[in-house]
Amino acid sequence: GAGVSQSPRYKVTKRGQDVALRCDPISGHVSLYWYRQALGQGPEFLTYFNYEAQQDKSGLPNDRFSAERPEGSISTLTIQRTEQRDSAMYRCASSLIWTGGELAKNIQYFGAGTRLSVL
Amino acid sequence: GQNIDQPTEMTATEGAIVQINCTYQTSGFNGLFWYQQHAGEAPTFLSYNVLDGLEEKGRFSSFLSRSKGYSYLLLKELQMKDSASYLCAAMDSNYQLIWGAGTKLIIKP
Repeated sequence: GAGVSQSPRYKVTKRGQDVALRCDPISGHVSLYWYRQALGQGPEFLTYFNYEAQQDKSGLPNDRFSAERPEGSISTLTIQRTEQRDSAMYRCASSLIWTGGELAKNIQYFGAGTRLSVL
Repeated sequence: GQNIDQPTEMTATEGAIVQINCTYQTSGFNGLFWYQQHAGEAPTFLSYNVLDGLEEKGRFSSFLSRSKGYSYLLLKELQMKDSASYLCAAMDSNYQLIWGAGTKLIIKP
């Protein structure tokens, strides 16, 4: 696609429910990143993929959070047994490559995000 | 640890020049990025520096000093539409971006 697409844009759920957030990166981009962003703060790293391989999940807050990118394109971030503290803006970004070479290829392009509200 | 510092908020006048500073400490360094984020929108890429010196792109310029762990974003001929948050991010040795909290820039007529 022309840009990074995230769905849904808004998600309201009840505490204890599972949610799945979807990210469709820019076509051809190798790397895909998940961030969480609180109001007035910079993005907080959660996890990232190169192709279908999850390279780093050190930013995932706990084992209720998981992510996958089975075919190296679309990715899903799943939060199980949601809690009120999970309420936040979840952002996805993609880049052409992930390492070295021309820095321009490391530029991350962000989607509009999913605003998650846990009641 | 890894850390990015930038001012929380700055105010400037339409038509003027403003400089937003950023200092960083990272494990290794592979470039310094600046993003613009309007309220309620996604961050959008503005510029990057990997070598020392000034990079100019129209009204926006970005400077890097690797020895000092310092960068700034210079905005000239400020317009009301430049009111936004400006995020500084340093790429570490693992090619991961370490993000600052952002500087909210308020432009007054």
